[in-house]
Amino acid sequence: GEDVEQSLFLSVREGDSSVINCTYTDSSSTYLYWYKQEPGAGLQLLTYIFSNMDMKQDQRLTVLLNKKDKHLSLRIADTQTGDSAIYFCAESILTGGGNKLTFGTGTQLKVEL
Amino acid sequence: EPEVTQTPSHQVTQMGQEVILRCVPISNHLYFYWYRQILGQKVEFLVSFYNNEISEKSEIFDDQFSVERPDGSNFTLKIRSTKLEDSAMYFCAIRDTPDQPQHFGDGTRLSIL
Repeated sequence: GEDVEQSLFLSVREGDSSVINCTYTDSSSTYLYWYKQEPGAGLQLLTYIFSNMDMKQDQRLTVLLNKKDKHLSLRIADTQTGDSAIYFCAESILTGGGNKLTFGTGTQLKVEL
Repeated sequence: EPEVTQTPSHQVTQMGQEVILRCVPISNHLYFYWYRQILGQKVEFLVSFYNNEISEKSEIFDDQFSVERPDGSNFTLKIRSTKLEDSAMYFCAIRDTPDQPQHFGDGTRLSIL
């Protein structure tokens, strides 16, 4: 079955880079996603990567995918206080059904001044 | 901005009562999903809906739950007889094609007393 794991907490100083890691178990994942959740709010799609890609860059965000190790990471350059939130990785598996997302436990990012 | 609006934002209900959570897409979409997030826990898949029928559901989605698109626009989740453990954030998500990401609404906080 699918299982997605993340470390629970990450604390960085403003201006530094943040790297949030995620491991997944299902090798048939087609897409992998990063969502951001601020307190009391919904899930905001940050970026996603197709499983045949190694890297995707989008402004301050860089996603790295190591398919062999089933490891996904999100790097946030020049981290700001507004980046403080919970970050979820999620995998999507193409099935005959609805391509549900399986989420990780979430990593709480705290940005300190 | 989310492509989908959820109502109500917060619902407080007595145990045993029926609740209906609503999801209103801003434009036409093909795939619809419900997820829930119990406080402090992972986001969990409940059900996916395509072409006016359920395409996949999880073990959580038992006989107490149902979904429908009564007017071709709103997408609803009904819980027939609520239990204390149904207290959670419920998120609706939409997508247009299997290779596009799911976009989430801001969620409905359901509190069962």
